[in-house]
Parts: sequence; C-alpha cells; structure tokens
Amino acid sequence: DAGITQSPRHKVTETGTPVTLRCHQTENHRYMYWYRQDPGHGLRLIHYSYGVKDTDKGEVSDGYSVSRSKTEDFLLTLESATSSQTSVYFCAGGNTYEQYFGPGTRLTVT
Amino acid sequence: QQQVKQSPQSLIVQKGGISIINCAYENTAFDYFPWYQQFPGKGPALLIAIRPDVSEKKEGRFTISFNKSAKQFSLHIMDSQPGDSATYFCAASKSNYQLIWGAGTKLIIKP
Repeated sequence: DAGITQSPRHKVTETGTPVTLRCHQTENHRYMYWYRQDPGHGLRLIHYSYGVKDTDKGEVSDGYSVSRSKTEDFLLTLESATSSQTSVYFCAGGNTYEQYFGPGTRLTVT
Repeated sequence: QQQVKQSPQSLIVQKGGISIINCAYENTAFDYFPWYQQFPGKGPALLIAIRPDVSEKKEGRFTISFNKSAKQFSLHIMDSQPGDSATYFCAASKSNYQLIWGAGTKLIIKP
C-alpha cells in the first residue's frame, strides 16, 4: 500500500547501537502497528498505537520502544540493538478488519 | 490460548490443482478470521476474511471454510495458478484491534 512508507528499507548496524525505524502514513489511520517477521514465527506484534501519544505493548516488546507525536508518523526504536533483533520489520495501519502494510525494513545487527 | 497454529509450513501444488492451508485456534473469544497473502519483498495484504457465524465464504477462486466446533478454518485456492505462489498467513482477532497470526505457509504452484 503506497499510503504507508518505511525508512530505511535496509540497515546494518552493530550490537549495542541505538536504531530508529520510521513509518509514515498518508491514510489517516488511527491505529498503527509495528511487527517483526521471522521464519517460522509469522508476524509478531511489537507495539501498537491507538492515537497520537497513545501506545501499548505487543507480545515481543522487550528491547523496543515507540513514539507517535503525529498521526502520520510512528517510530520504532531499538534502544541497544542485539543480534536477536535481526529481522524484517513491518509497519501497518488500519484496524482489526484490515491492516495495510508498508514494504518492510530489513535490519541486520552484527 | 492466544496461538493460531497453521499448517503446512510449505506446499507445492501443480497448476490447476487445489491448494489447501489449515489453521486451528483455541480461544473461543476470537470472532474474526482473515487470510493475508504476501509476495516476496512486499508486506502482507488482506485476501479474504470470515466471521464465525458463517461456515464458508467464497471470493473468486479463494474460499474460506470455517468449522466452529472444531475451532479450525482453512483456505482453499481452486484452479491454482503460478501467480498464486506466495506466503499465506491466517490470523484471528477478538475485536481488540490486534491480530494473532499463524506462522505462514509458503505456497509454490508448479507450471
């Protein structure tokens, strides 16, 4: 969905460094989500937002934080990246009934 | 209780055949069951969805069959085409704006 973009699309970083991934939407979705996708695990919810400055934890939130200062932008921060956080990260907007996904960010932590 | 179990992990089907992917759940509070399709390098996209008050929903070549008593639902792709080759995810929700996802099935349609 062109209405949701993610940046960067690819990133390689070193263990222990902070990393911020950005999600930008033009569809005025109230709800936004950050997932990670790993082989054999499907999509796992990291954090989600139900409005500006309103966020909540998902099932794999340890080591991650989020912020949403504007409807359009939802940031995911890895406070101190670890190799276990190597993954593909997807942002989505929408609701239970339909979620629209961005193209993903492939993050490698060395 | 929050899990959705999906099988098989991978599936190879001949062109024109029927592809079948199965999912099972435990939480009877789930009330919405979507299927998403994901092509390589892309995010997932909603394919078809069903609520537990119906046993079947059909959209073109794609059909969801739902068995409430068995707590199972499945995706059938009729007349499978090479363009259907993708990863398919089932999911479930209890209307709290979160989806619980299956692990995914990589489907390959052989020409």
